[in-house]
Amino acid sequence: EAGVTQSPTHLIKTRGQQATLRCSPISGHTSVYWYQQALGLGLQFLLWYDEGEERNRGNFPPRFSGRQFPNYSSELNVNALELEDSALYLCASSLRGPKNIQYFGAGTRLSVL
Amino acid sequence: GESVGLHLPTLSVQEGDNSIINCAYSNSASDYFIWYKQESGKGPQFIIDIRSNMDKRQGQRVTVLLNKTVKHLSLQIAATQPGDSAVYFCADTSSGTYKYIFGTGTRLKVLA
Repeated sequence: EAGVTQSPTHLIKTRGQQATLRCSPISGHTSVYWYQQALGLGLQFLLWYDEGEERNRGNFPPRFSGRQFPNYSSELNVNALELEDSALYLCASSLRGPKNIQYFGAGTRLSVL
Repeated sequence: GESVGLHLPTLSVQEGDNSIINCAYSNSASDYFIWYKQESGKGPQFIIDIRSNMDKRQGQRVTVLLNKTVKHLSLQIAATQPGDSAVYFCADTSSGTYKYIFGTGTRLKVLA
């Protein structure tokens, strides 16, 4: 069975541009989570989607947004990129609700120049 | 998000010895806890979980201990192997917040 897949693996953008990151959850999982992991730091919770709805978000500005599609895949959009947005963005999926094990993808490395 | 700096706490252990990685959490309402292992260039990998109605849970070579009184979680790895070298994170969540709070991580280095 395929795990959580993320694309692209690496993404290079310049300040002010927009970035779109994609995530496909494990089959049967309806919840998708996005995290930011800056170099050398822990995981910071960004967004939680379940059944197509945003259920919770972390302490990030509105230029971080996303959506979940009917097939439960998800996109994370980051507008007006800033240098400090450079990080590893991790997607995780679980059965419905966060009190289930979250399985992570390998991440998308976003570099903002 | 909380910034904790570029230098993770590091635990160096001799191969074959037992490792104990500690984690403190802050939310007294947290009722579900997970340990993850993250190897370089990879996403976090689930190791073991525990619910607040338990104080100990064992897996294969790993044991998690939960002390709710002092809000402390530990991960014990028996007979540590080179493949155990990684960064280990604890995470907690509660029915009230519905989101995981990850700890800062501990780097485990296994010495041959």
